[in-house]
Amino acid sequence: KAGVTQTPRYLIKTRGQQVTLSCSPISGHRSVSWYQQTPGQGLQFLFEYFSETQRNKGNFPGRFSGRQFSNSRSEMNVSTLELGDSALYLCASSDRQNSGNTIYFGEGSWLTVV
Amino acid sequence: ILNVEQSPQSLHVQEGDSTNFTCSFPSSNFYALHWYRWETAKSPEALFVMTLNGDEKKKGRISATLNTKEGYSYLYIKGSQPEDSATYLCASQTGANNLFFGTGTRLTVIP
Repeated sequence: KAGVTQTPRYLIKTRGQQVTLSCSPISGHRSVSWYQQTPGQGLQFLFEYFSETQRNKGNFPGRFSGRQFSNSRSEMNVSTLELGDSALYLCASSDRQNSGNTIYFGEGSWLTVV
Repeated sequence: ILNVEQSPQSLHVQEGDSTNFTCSFPSSNFYALHWYRWETAKSPEALFVMTLNGDEKKKGRISATLNTKEGYSYLYIKGSQPEDSATYLCASQTGANNLFFGTGTRLTVIP
């Protein structure tokens, strides 16, 4: 069974541009969540989707958005990039809506904003 | 935002030593506590998910305990090996599938 797959793995963008990151969850998983890690910070929750609906959103500006498709694949978008958006973005998937179940992570997308 | 704290921040141990780390979290609205092992350039690897007070879980030389009443969890590694070198993360889950992470304990095992 394939794990959580994220693309692209590495990318460089210029300030003011926008970026879209993609996540394919483990087959059968309907919950997808996104996290950001910047240097010196722990993983920060961005948002979570379940069956195409955003259920939770972290404390990030509106420039950060996401969506989930009917096949559970998810994308996150960051508009008007700032230097501080340079980070590792991790996607995670789970097979249940609410429970103490294992949440599986991808390897992440490294974004550098110059 | 939940305040999840881990200590120590980093740790160096000799091969063969046993070690442990601490994770503290708010005990209110607790749902589950997750431990992950994260090696550089890889995805975080799920070690344990614990939900009940007094839970103890074991995976090979690694084990974990949970105290939900006082809001802490311990991760133990018995007989550390160089391949155990990684960052160990804990995360508190309050309900939906969003986790609040600590900043991790970076373990280095010296051969």
